[in-house]
Amino acid sequence: EAEVAQSPRYKITEKSQAVAFWCDPISGHATLYWYRQILGQGPELLVQFQDESVVDDSQLPKDRFSAERLKGVDSTLKIQPAELGDSAMYLCASSSWTDLSYGYTFGSGTRLTVV
Amino acid sequence: AQSVTQLGSHVSVSEGALVLLRCNYSSSVPPYLFWYVQYPNQGLQLLLKYTSAATLVKGINGFEAEFKKSETSFHLTKPSAHMSDAAEYFCVVTQGGSQGNLIFGKGTKLSVKP
Repeated sequence: EAEVAQSPRYKITEKSQAVAFWCDPISGHATLYWYRQILGQGPELLVQFQDESVVDDSQLPKDRFSAERLKGVDSTLKIQPAELGDSAMYLCASSSWTDLSYGYTFGSGTRLTVV
Repeated sequence: AQSVTQLGSHVSVSEGALVLLRCNYSSSVPPYLFWYVQYPNQGLQLLLKYTSAATLVKGINGFEAEFKKSETSFHLTKPSAHMSDAAEYFCVVTQGGSQGNLIFGKGTKLSVKP
């Protein structure tokens, strides 16, 4: 079964350091999402890509967060500098509405701890 | 704007008992609705989805949900709880399509007592 790949699974970083997460969506999925999930809450959208273009980044803290999907395939989410409040699970998802058997598929996530 | 309300942040049932997790949605357009399950430190796994076909949707692991437009509800049920069902469950709404974003409820943590 096709999967959304994310790495790393766990990341511990000191505040003020830079950190990056990587996501490889299901092959052929044009839409890619990054969500942040704070412990005990539901995921919230950070950024949505359609191919290589940003569709929605209204909730992305642009002073410290950046996201790119240069070739419209895999994507990188970066935080610089990291703050204690950034500790969360970062989830990547992809979707294809031409194939409803998939809908939205999530990766296993990256658990970030900022110390 | 779309939103989802999950009633009860924590539900506890005995093994073998009925599981009922409640979800109400708000949407100005015909919604697509999903239930996802999340185990500790894991990603989200799709349980089932409603995409305007049958109103009673069957999912994995014996779960099902019924879309009731008149009640704007999409409650999740399972006739007999198993210990392995203990997890966090999220009800999710989207308008769908390539521009659609998933709007999550706050989640319901299900505990199953032996």
